Amino acid sequence: AQSVTQLDSQVPVFEEAPVELRCNYSSSVSVYLFWYVQYPNQGLQLLLKYLSGSTLVESINGFEAEFNKSQTSFHLRKPSVHISDTAEYFCAVRNSGYALNFGKGTSLLVTP
Amino acid sequence: EAGVVQSPRYKIIEKKQPVAFWCNPISGHNTLYWYLQNLGQGPELLIRYENEEAVDDSQLPKDRFSAERLKGVDSTLKIQPAELGDSAVYLCASSSPGNEQFFGPGTRLTVL
Repeated sequence: AQSVTQLDSQVPVFEEAPVELRCNYSSSVSVYLFWYVQYPNQGLQLLLKYLSGSTLVESINGFEAEFNKSQTSFHLRKPSVHISDTAEYFCAVRNSGYALNFGKGTSLLVTP
Repeated sequence: EAGVVQSPRYKIIEKKQPVAFWCNPISGHNTLYWYLQNLGQGPELLIRYENEEAVDDSQLPKDRFSAERLKGVDSTLKIQPAELGDSAVYLCASSSPGNEQFFGPGTRLTVL
């Protein structure tokens, strides 16, 4: 079964600093990858997705992720974070049955 | 457009009691998922429905868990009897075929 590994359980960062949340996936012929964000006591919201095409995908709130086939990675980046970006971030891969296999999550804590 | 609706948002019960969670997917979404999210972990699939048919229930503990999706719209997930280890967040998601999943806010279950 396809799986993802999130390499950091917690990432503390100062406001306006850049951040990278790391995600590696198990190798596969074709892979569909997602990043979801979960704010406290809320459900998951799709941040961005890679299905095919351009390896660099962007979200509307400044996050981007790059699909790197040679390194089997799909790291999430933002050049300048805000306090409001504090949340739990989940990387996920779609399995053959269309359900998602999630990583364990990375807690991003942005402080002033 | 209304999102995925779940109720209740919070539930506290004594162990060995039954409990039920309800989900109303986004209108027109044929696929419905139930995920279990333990504290500090990513969601894990319990069951996936295509219309009213459960097409993937391999991860559903069938000795105490059951689910139904009558008429291919709303769904109910039941636990009977509940155990202490069932304390978690139960997430419902829906999608149109092959497209991204939209998640509800979840039901936080506490078993005492």
